[in-house]
Amino acid sequence: DIVMTQSPDSLAVSLGERATINCKSSQSVLYSSNNKNYLAWYQQKPGQPPKLLIYWASTRESGVPDRFSGSGSGTDFTLTISSLQAEDVALYYCHQYYNTPPTFGPGTKLEI
Amino acid sequence: EVQLVESGGGLVQPGGSLRLSCAASGFIFSSNSMTWVRQAPGKGLEWVSSISRSSDTINYADSVTGRFTISRDNAKNTLYLQMNSLRAEDTAIYYCARHHDSSTWNLWEYWGQGTLVTVSS
Repeated sequence: DIVMTQSPDSLAVSLGERATINCKSSQSVLYSSNNKNYLAWYQQKPGQPPKLLIYWASTRESGVPDRFSGSGSGTDFTLTISSLQAEDVALYYCHQYYNTPPTFGPGTKLEI
Repeated sequence: EVQLVESGGGLVQPGGSLRLSCAASGFIFSSNSMTWVRQAPGKGLEWVSSISRSSDTINYADSVTGRFTISRDNAKNTLYLQMNSLRAEDTAIYYCARHHDSSTWNLWEYWGQGTLVTVSS
């Protein structure tokens, strides 16, 4: 199984400042035949299901604000929120769908 | 509007059984693969099982293989999870999720609100 790790475990950022969350996979999730990274980011607020933010490591899901961006390739990935808003307080999970079983990182708690 | 509504959760004794359902609407159910993901109280996300559009591909997590069965009824727009031989560690919120419109296996675009399964004596 591919093991996903995230850092930091929790993060406190001031409103309007940049937040950066890192994700690392135990093996590459870059599929050479199509040059795509099988890596997604989800946001989960208390009492709600996860919401897809980013897939293919850097493609923003429809309707997601452009302050959210994803980067990285192979085994190292980053989710960046360029200017933190109050509604961004949540848990953030990275997820690999490169192979079965799909696996998640342990989550990063983002606070103001 | 895509809607996924889970039901069937509840309190069950260890060794017991439950059948979860996920009623889908707002899209052509037979066009998307579907998945169950669970989340133990205060814990992270764990994939449970996935089923393809026509049920010809089914995968299970090792932790539930032999005890859980995923199925779907495309005529009823409903996804199921039959859970047998339940254990305390199966206690979780169970979410159903729809695979992305890009047909990418195990990339989930829409999620239901979840149904809570509690296994306890």
